[in-house]
Amino acid sequence: EVQLVESGGGLVQPGGSLRLSCAASGITFSSHWMSWVRQAPGKGLEWVANIKQDGSEKYYVDSVKGRFTISRDNAKNSLYLQMNSLRAEDTAVYYCARFVAPGYFDYWGQGTLVTVSS
Amino acid sequence: QSALTQPASVSGSPGQSITISCTGTSSDVGTYNLVSWYQQHPGKAPKLMIYEVSKRPSGVSNRFSGSKSGNTASLTISGLQAEDEADYYCCSYAGRTTWVFGGGTKLTVL
Repeated sequence: EVQLVESGGGLVQPGGSLRLSCAASGITFSSHWMSWVRQAPGKGLEWVANIKQDGSEKYYVDSVKGRFTISRDNAKNSLYLQMNSLRAEDTAVYYCARFVAPGYFDYWGQGTLVTVSS
Repeated sequence: QSALTQPASVSGSPGQSITISCTGTSSDVGTYNLVSWYQQHPGKAPKLMIYEVSKRPSGVSNRFSGSKSGNTASLTISGLQAEDEADYYCCSYAGRTTWVFGGGTKLTVL
């Protein structure tokens, strides 16, 4: 059974930083692209970032470029999202998902809530 | 990277069929056969229902089908059941290694 478990969410002040983690099991983690997708409270889904199997390619939505960094540790079956210079509009549930290049997200975690507020 | 356009809500009675549209542009839906659809129940993670316009993952009911014409993709659910009541999101590759979701459609089973 595929399991993706996010952690690291919480309350942070504007301008602050947070690092999200996603622990994967039930899949050969190193064989798959991975993604972060977020959902603001009461709003729709928004793709945030993708990372290739070996970490050599990373792609971001324009609104987080230069502030967020996606990374992975295949030895630990883990995906990360380092979020810096956080803004109120970054408040959302952040989902980790397996990405099947070039087109879709087939497994999702339960999400972790990030709240940016003073 | 503008969001794809979906109706805010649709409704239908048990046993009926409904269709949810997803309108993009010639830069995303119109060019790439990389449209996917996700079902999300309240408080739950999204679930993949359709990928590459019309393909169904293993385990997804054949009551769910997808299609595309021009810049608009569609999700059709036939034989509506109470358990289908959920939010539905479309997603498309938008070129230049970016992906875009629709705003979501709330399906109500009357």
